[in-house]
Amino acid sequence: EVELTQSPGTLSLSPGERATLSCRASQSISGHYLAWYQQKPGQAPRLLIYDVSSRAAGIPDRFSGSGSGTDFTLTISRLAPEDFAVYYCQQYGSSPKTFGQGTKVEIK
Amino acid sequence: QLQLQESGPGLVKPSETLSLTCTLSGASISSSNYYWGWIRQSPGKGLEWIGSIHYSGSTSYNPSLKSRVTISLDRSKNQFSLQLTSVTAADTAVYYCARHWWLESYFDYWGQGTLVAVSS
Repeated sequence: EVELTQSPGTLSLSPGERATLSCRASQSISGHYLAWYQQKPGQAPRLLIYDVSSRAAGIPDRFSGSGSGTDFTLTISRLAPEDFAVYYCQQYGSSPKTFGQGTKVEIK
Repeated sequence: QLQLQESGPGLVKPSETLSLTCTLSGASISSSNYYWGWIRQSPGKGLEWIGSIHYSGSTSYNPSLKSRVTISLDRSKNQFSLQLTSVTAADTAVYYCARHWWLESYFDYWGQGTLVAVSS
């Protein structure tokens, strides 16, 4: 099973700042099979990015994904008030599909 | 627009079977080549994929839960269901149903989730 480790656990930033979230895999992820989700309290995760860098429908272009192998990054170029949430990465290159433990982006 | 809605008991006793249903609206469970999955989220284990079913009826389960999980389809009701046997407190979680395009894929549509507590 591929373990995903996200860092930092919490990111304290102000609106307008740039957020950089990391997701590291315990082994190389085959293909480009990594996704990112946003979750707000009381809501289901929402797909942001799939296949490492493809934005899901309706996702603003301030969200971008990058990386390969074992190291992946989600970047939010300028934080909007609605972006403060918890973010999860998920790999689907190996079975079983697994998720990271999450990074909370909070208002500083 | 596809919508998924989980339903089922919010409280299950230890050693009993947890049963949940996911009802689709806005699309037919049989009309397209999708997979339909169950994911749970607990404070202790985070997000965990439980298993999935293809519209053809073939299933795939997380090895960590495989011995206790059954996922099935009811095409006439446009639903798919989860059964998890011999539950313990560790199975207390929010359970989500979701859609994915291939067996090994991301989840693009999610239900709102339902909290299931295991307690006597």
